[in-house]
Amino acid sequence: RKEVEQDPGPFNVPEGATVAFNCTYSNSASQSFFWYRQDCRKEPKLLMSVYSSGNEDGRFTAQLNRASQYISLLIRDSKLSDSATYLCVVNLNAGNMLTFGGGTRLMVKP
Amino acid sequence: SQTIHQWPATLVQPVGSPLSLECTVEGTSNPNLYWYRQAAGRGLQLLFYSIGIDQISSEVPQNLSASRPQDRQFILSSKKLLLSDSGFYLCAWTLDKHEQFFGPGTRLTVL
Repeated sequence: RKEVEQDPGPFNVPEGATVAFNCTYSNSASQSFFWYRQDCRKEPKLLMSVYSSGNEDGRFTAQLNRASQYISLLIRDSKLSDSATYLCVVNLNAGNMLTFGGGTRLMVKP
Repeated sequence: SQTIHQWPATLVQPVGSPLSLECTVEGTSNPNLYWYRQAAGRGLQLLFYSIGIDQISSEVPQNLSASRPQDRQFILSSKKLLLSDSGFYLCAWTLDKHEQFFGPGTRLTVL
């Protein structure tokens, strides 16, 4: 089992749709969780941190389920500009390293 | 504010040639620094990380090496490149165990 696992997609959705990604992680003691966005041929950029209580930033909502060891990202009212790869990132062992999932590719169509 | 620089942006090198990629961070002190590689269509693979000057940890065996001669400078090197070294090399920094911030990357093609 991969330490951080994501469905690679692609998820093809029309503009305005709501889309959700899940990500599972292997270590129940993990403390920090993030979603990054990576555009084609660009560096990953932090989209949002994921807090235990869940958090929202505009059209984006992130949730953490510790019991089931997964985090989710919900995107409402998808825009063409949301097309990108979304990386699930976890600090698995409270050390200095983050573990990246393989990414989920989203394509928003007009 | 903090910024991270990488150069060169792109590089085409023949097999067997040496490599030196540089990463520098501005606006912070004593950051943790990381080198990642991303092969085409693949996830990020951690290569090296450093918690301080001359303190380097290697995550995977390979023909690459890293050095940190100054607090905010991280260098990735190779004496002889292999075809399999092609990829997108990303440097990242963090101040603690939380989110990392990436440089713009170097796209390396080994021919």
